[in-house]
Amino acid sequence: GEDVEQSLFLSVREGDSSVINCTYTDSSSTYLYWYKQEPGAGLQLLTYIFSNMDMKQDQRLTVLLNKKDKHLSLRIADTQTGDSAIYFCAESIPGGSYIPTFGRGTSLIVHP
Amino acid sequence: GAGVSQSPSNKVTEKGKDVELRCDPISGHTALYWYRQSLGQGLEFLIYFQGNSAPDKSGLPSDRFSAERTGGSVSTLTIQRTQQEDSAVYLCASSFQTGGNSPLHFGNGTRLTVT
Repeated sequence: GEDVEQSLFLSVREGDSSVINCTYTDSSSTYLYWYKQEPGAGLQLLTYIFSNMDMKQDQRLTVLLNKKDKHLSLRIADTQTGDSAIYFCAESIPGGSYIPTFGRGTSLIVHP
Repeated sequence: GAGVSQSPSNKVTEKGKDVELRCDPISGHTALYWYRQSLGQGLEFLIYFQGNSAPDKSGLPSDRFSAERTGGSVSTLTIQRTQQEDSAVYLCASSFQTGGNSPLHFGNGTRLTVT
């Protein structure tokens, strides 16, 4: 079965790097996503990766995947106050309906 | 282009009343999902529609919950005889097609408060 786990809170200083971690349990090939949710809004897709990749970089965002340990991380370089939000990790298993399973989200707080 | 639109954005209702929540997906998206987000919780899958196929209702928490999707576009989630534990944000999402390479696009949600 699918289970996605995240730590609930992360606090960083503006300008530092943030690393948000996620673990998943399914051993199949899988798609893994990072979404951002700002207050009062829905979830905005940041980036996603298929499990045959180890890394994906997009501007300030770097996704690292350790498939052996089923560990996914999102690194945000030069974190800004506008990055303060809840970050959700999600997993989607090929075959069937691909319905994504979400973690509980990590609240990122960026302080000056 | 227009994103996923949900209405109302906020709904306050009395316990025992029925409510209808509406979702207008992105034009051309064939897959539509409903999730529920309770305070401090992750997203709980409720129901999924794909084209003309029978919906996947496996996430609906009770028979008080139902949803339909008319004409392959707009969807309505109905909660009958609402209870206080139904209070949550109900999120709708759509995707171009079924597949991990077709990520979900979310609306801003409907915040439901049952008093």
